Amino acid sequence: DTEVTQTPKHLVMGMTNKKSLKCEQHMGHRAMYWYKQKAKKPPELMFVYSYEKLSINESVPSRFSPECPNSSLLNLHLHALQPEDSALYLCASSQIRAGGPYEQYFGPGTRLTVT
Amino acid sequence: DQQVKQNSPSLSVQEGRISILNCDYTNSMFDYFLWYKKYPAEGPTFLISISSIKDKNEDGRFTVFLNKSAKHLSLHIVPSQPGDSAVYFCAALPIQGAQKLVFGQGTRLTINP
Repeated sequence: DTEVTQTPKHLVMGMTNKKSLKCEQHMGHRAMYWYKQKAKKPPELMFVYSYEKLSINESVPSRFSPECPNSSLLNLHLHALQPEDSALYLCASSQIRAGGPYEQYFGPGTRLTVT
Repeated sequence: DQQVKQNSPSLSVQEGRISILNCDYTNSMFDYFLWYKKYPAEGPTFLISISSIKDKNEDGRFTVFLNKSAKHLSLHIVPSQPGDSAVYFCAALPIQGAQKLVFGQGTRLTINP
């Protein structure tokens, strides 16, 4: 089973709203990721959690706030977003093991539109 | 500075023939390379990977070749099928910080019947 699930599939929010994106995996992976993808561009890394601790923040604005409540769940809290934040938000997970990198498995994404 | 480059934005191949997608990289610290396939409005799907200690890895219809001296890798799909029509991303991981995937810009592959 290499499934990563994300909810909601689509989200429309105003610039003053607060919303959250959710991601779940049951593969026993201890690294989880948030990516942002704009049309016709590759995914861009936003955050990495390793063993439920934030290990990488790619200088993401504070209006995006990640949270990792446990080893299977990853949230992205959104507040006061801008229209240019409209994009496909992808969650991914991977194993962590000394001695080598591992492939990341992606969820289907949440299509976010900020109005 | 684009460290992973896919110079062909699109490729059209006849069904049953071989599809060859190319990828070049500039960072000699990259140690692990991956190919992902992406359909519109879906997340990328992992296809195949290769470590820098190998020059070839095969999985069914998919084969990835790595030429370290040329900093070049390629994905071969044979025979190509209509369901292979998608955007293909090449990605790389460095030895250090092995969680930060660096993606190429993608190549849109269209398989014609």
